[in-house]
Amino acid sequence: DIVMTQSPDSLAVSLGERATINCKSSQSVLYSSNKKNYLSWYQQKPGQPPKLLIYWASTRDSGVPDRFSGSGSGTDFTLTISSLQAEDVAVYYCQQYYKTPWTFGQGTKVEIK
Amino acid sequence: EVQLVESGGGLVQPGGSLRLSCAASGFTFSSYEMNWVRQAPGKGLQWVSYISSGSGSIYYADSVKGRFTISRDNARNSLYLQMNSLRAEDTAVYYCARDKGAPEGYFDYWGQGALVTVSS
Repeated sequence: DIVMTQSPDSLAVSLGERATINCKSSQSVLYSSNKKNYLSWYQQKPGQPPKLLIYWASTRDSGVPDRFSGSGSGTDFTLTISSLQAEDVAVYYCQQYYKTPWTFGQGTKVEIK
Repeated sequence: EVQLVESGGGLVQPGGSLRLSCAASGFTFSSYEMNWVRQAPGKGLQWVSYISSGSGSIYYADSVKGRFTISRDNARNSLYLQMNSLRAEDTAVYYCARDKGAPEGYFDYWGQGALVTVSS
């Protein structure tokens, strides 16, 4: 199985400041034939189901604010919230869909400092 | 508006069975692959099972293989998860999730979840 490891486990950021979450996969999730990274990011607010933010490592899903961006390739990925808003308090998960079983990182909790 | 509504959760004894249902609306259900993803209390997300639009391809996580069965009824716009030989470690909120597709494996709509508690 591909193991997804996120860092940090939690972070506290001031409103309007940048938040950065890292995700590392135990093997590359870059598919050589199409040069795409099979990596997505989800946001889960308390008491709610997860919400898809980003897929293909850097493509924002419909309606996702542009303060959310994804980057990286191969085994190392980053989710950046450029200017943290109060409504961004949540747990964020990365996920690989390169091969089954599709696996998630352990989650990173983002709070307001 | 896409809606996924799970039902059928509850308290069951170890070794027992439960069947979850997911009612879909707001999209052409028969055109989409579907999944079950679970989340143990206070824990992270774990993908459980996948079924293709026509039920021709089915995958399971190793932890549930041989005990859980995914199925769908496209005429009823419904997804199911039959869970047998339940264990305490199966206790979780079970989410029905639509596959964004091409390729499969990431999920653009989720239901609110159904809580399954396995305990004596």
